Amino acid sequence: RKEVEQDPGPFNVPEGATVAFNCTYSNSASQSFFWYRQDCRKEPKLLMSVYSSGNEDGRFTAQLNRASQYISLLIRDSKLSDSATYLCGTGGGNKLTFGTGTQLKVEL
Amino acid sequence: NAGVTQTPKFRVLKTGQSMTLLCAQDMNHEYMYWYRQDPGMGLRLIHYSVGEGTTAKGEVPDGYNVSRLKKQNFLLGLESAAPSQTSVYFCASMDRGNQPQHFGDGTRLSIL
Repeated sequence: RKEVEQDPGPFNVPEGATVAFNCTYSNSASQSFFWYRQDCRKEPKLLMSVYSSGNEDGRFTAQLNRASQYISLLIRDSKLSDSATYLCGTGGGNKLTFGTGTQLKVEL
Repeated sequence: NAGVTQTPKFRVLKTGQSMTLLCAQDMNHEYMYWYRQDPGMGLRLIHYSVGEGTTAKGEVPDGYNVSRLKKQNFLLGLESAAPSQTSVYFCASMDRGNQPQHFGDGTRLSIL
């Protein structure tokens, strides 16, 4: 089993839709959790950190479920510009392990 | 506001050649990392450093060497390039433990 797993997608959604991705992790000792956005052939960029209490940034909501060992990302009112690959990263101390990413395509 | 800068952006090598990739960060971060990203494989950690003068192996260290002589720089070396090392290489830095990593814009390396 991979340490961090994501559904590769693609998730094809119409503009304005709500879409959610999950990321499961196997290391119960993981302490830090992040969502990154990666555009084609570009570097991963931090989208948001994920806190135990859940957190929201505009149209984006991230949640952590420690009992089931997954984090989620909810995107409301999808925009064409949200089309990208979304990577989750989990870890503790000085290293992160990344999933292979979930591809989102927002269509007119 | 440079952040993490990688040099070069693109490079084509012949099998057996050597080269060094440079990563520089201006955020005074303690930790630095080298990843490679291949289709379907995600980001895989090659080597990392937890401070000036330190290095450690990651998930896929074979065929690579690193050095961190100065806090702001992290060098990745390929002594004898192989076609299997064709990839996109990302450098990242992190302020301290359990913080997010910040990535450079990548080096696209092709080995023929």
